[in-house]
Amino acid sequence: AQRVTQPEKLLSVFKGAPVELKCNYSYSGSPELFWYVQYSRQRLQLLLRHISRESIKGFTADLNKGETSFHLKKPFAQEEDSAMYYCAPRGGADGLTFGKGTHLIIQP
Amino acid sequence: KAGVTQTPRYLIKTRGQQVTLSCSPISGHRSVSWYQQTPGQGLQFLFEYFSETQRNKGNFPGRFSGRQFSNSRSEMNVSTLELGDSALYLCASRYTLAGLTYEQYFGPGTRLTVT
Repeated sequence: AQRVTQPEKLLSVFKGAPVELKCNYSYSGSPELFWYVQYSRQRLQLLLRHISRESIKGFTADLNKGETSFHLKKPFAQEEDSAMYYCAPRGGADGLTFGKGTHLIIQP
Repeated sequence: KAGVTQTPRYLIKTRGQQVTLSCSPISGHRSVSWYQQTPGQGLQFLFEYFSETQRNKGNFPGRFSGRQFSNSRSEMNVSTLELGDSALYLCASRYTLAGLTYEQYFGPGTRLTVT
């Protein structure tokens, strides 16, 4: 079965500490993986997609086909990074659900 | 370019009633998807419409239905409301081109409360 797993429902780190939000997927073929973010009282929006290989707001994500993972990383967390983060295979399109999300809290 | 809009933004209904939510996608986007968002379950896919046809459906009971109009606007309907249907209902639209996956653009959501 095709699915995506975000094992941490809640992740709390201190400001300045490194952040890693985990995403593992079980998927046939080569998925196009996305990370979406939802800040408090804002719309869900795209953070980054693996094919673009960009760094957005200091976040990067590498698709590891061997481990079937697409972890989201940032070397130094900032308070404004506090939000809900969702991993999505194929951007959540084509009837595929998002991961259940990780609530990231950055403590001052 | 205007974003995805959803109406109404807030709704309070009683158990047993039915409700219709509306979504206007970004101009040029022909795919519209609906999601239910709750604290416990996160984002759950309801269905996707493309060119007035339901293309995919999530694991929700038949009380949840939808449709899409020729201008790509979409509605979803929930009949015989239950307390557990209380949630934020999100609509998302995206551009489509065969073989390529484009990001979803989300609306602000409709907050449905069932009492």
